[in-house]
Amino acid sequence: DIQMTQSPSSLSASVGDRVTITCRAGQGINNYLAWYQQKPGQAPKLLIYAASTLQSGVPSRFSGSGSGTDFTLTINYLQPEDVSTYYCQQYERAPRTFGRGTKVEIK
Amino acid sequence: QVQLVQSGAEVKEPGASVKVSCKASGYSFSDYYVHWVRQAPGQGLEWMGWINPKSGDTDYAKNFQGRFTMTRDTSISTAYMELTSLTSDDMALYYCTRGSGLTSMKQPNNYWGQGTLVTVSS
Repeated sequence: DIQMTQSPSSLSASVGDRVTITCRAGQGINNYLAWYQQKPGQAPKLLIYAASTLQSGVPSRFSGSGSGTDFTLTINYLQPEDVSTYYCQQYERAPRTFGRGTKVEIK
Repeated sequence: QVQLVQSGAEVKEPGASVKVSCKASGYSFSDYYVHWVRQAPGQGLEWMGWINPKSGDTDYAKNFQGRFTMTRDTSISTAYMELTSLTSDDMALYYCTRGSGLTSMKQPNNYWGQGTLVTVSS
């Protein structure tokens, strides 16, 4: 199984800040890396796929980068509605492992 | 539009079984893998397995081999998951989610059901 190591587990930032979340895969995943946002009581929502492609309808303040085994989700100009838990996931092969999540809060 | 609608919350006693349905609409059900993902209270996402709706082929995560079964009924565009010998550790939200197309490049899980809460209590 491909282990996904996500950090930090939580963070607190101010509105307007830039926030960065990292995810490291245990082996190369050919950029088959997705980021999801999950708000309390809701199903996960796809934000980014193929490491850096923004899903349709997702605000442009979200961006993804990285290749090989190291990937990053960046939120520019953090907004109150971005309070959520964010997960990375590799979908290069089964099992489609997730990172353990990063809870983002507003200071 | 693509929709996955799951069956309602379940309350089961320890040792019982539960079967959750996931009805797909807005796309050709047989042309995309359906995955199941579990989320225990306050915890992260755990991938359980996928089913190929066209062939019925399945792939189960190691943690779910034995007590977990995925099936489908293509005539009503519905996927099912069944979990047997329930314990308190199985209390969770269970999501179905659409995966890659059978003949396309690998795709993430871009459509999700609303989740089904399974409570295990005596």
